[in-house]
Amino acid sequence: GAVVSQHPSWVICKSGTSVKIECRSLDFQATTMFWYRQFPKQSLMLMATSNEGSKATYEQGVEKDKFLINHASLTLSTLTVTSAHPEDSSFYICSARDPGRTSDEQFFGPGTRLTVL
Amino acid sequence: QQQVKQSPQSLIVQKGGISIINCAYENTAFDYFPWYQQFPGKGPALLIAIRPDVSEKKEGRFTISFNKSAKQFSLHIMDSQPGDSATYFCAASMNYGQNFVFGPGTRLSVLP
Repeated sequence: GAVVSQHPSWVICKSGTSVKIECRSLDFQATTMFWYRQFPKQSLMLMATSNEGSKATYEQGVEKDKFLINHASLTLSTLTVTSAHPEDSSFYICSARDPGRTSDEQFFGPGTRLTVL
Repeated sequence: QQQVKQSPQSLIVQKGGISIINCAYENTAFDYFPWYQQFPGKGPALLIAIRPDVSEKKEGRFTISFNKSAKQFSLHIMDSQPGDSATYFCAASMNYGQNFVFGPGTRLSVLP
């Protein structure tokens, strides 16, 4: 149980275009999901906390107008990278907590590799 | 105060040996300390986790040692195998799993 999926697993786009990444909790309902960015050989950096039915909370230094987050349902959160540039190329990972479990564990998706040409 | 420090940055161990990775934190509000394993191109997967009221937790070949007074915790991998070669991240969180902070990671290579 507690599986998180992401789609697509990788995407290549041209500079200036927008890319949408989906994060789904497959067997539980997640009121809160988290979006991370990971550059090569670096750690995961929290970008934002996605709350179902309300606005996302962004970490300091993350442009909310560039990284649009929509948590439309209890099982789906989307991250849209708007007007993508090569420096946005990274590995984007989402996670979610299962409120039905007593553990504080976050379950991570498999990640999405974004390459902006 | 939100930082989690991790060492070593990389580690090479012979098959059958013990791998030890150390982490330290500052914020005493952290109350959940997980270790994650990540293979290239994959998301992190939980290995083992501990809370501050326990000094040690063992699951199979993986053991967490926790020193609350020193604000340090470590991961021990016994009988290390080549399949254990991956990047390991310690993390800390508070507020029922919110506010996850990851360490910088340790790249472990287990030689056959």
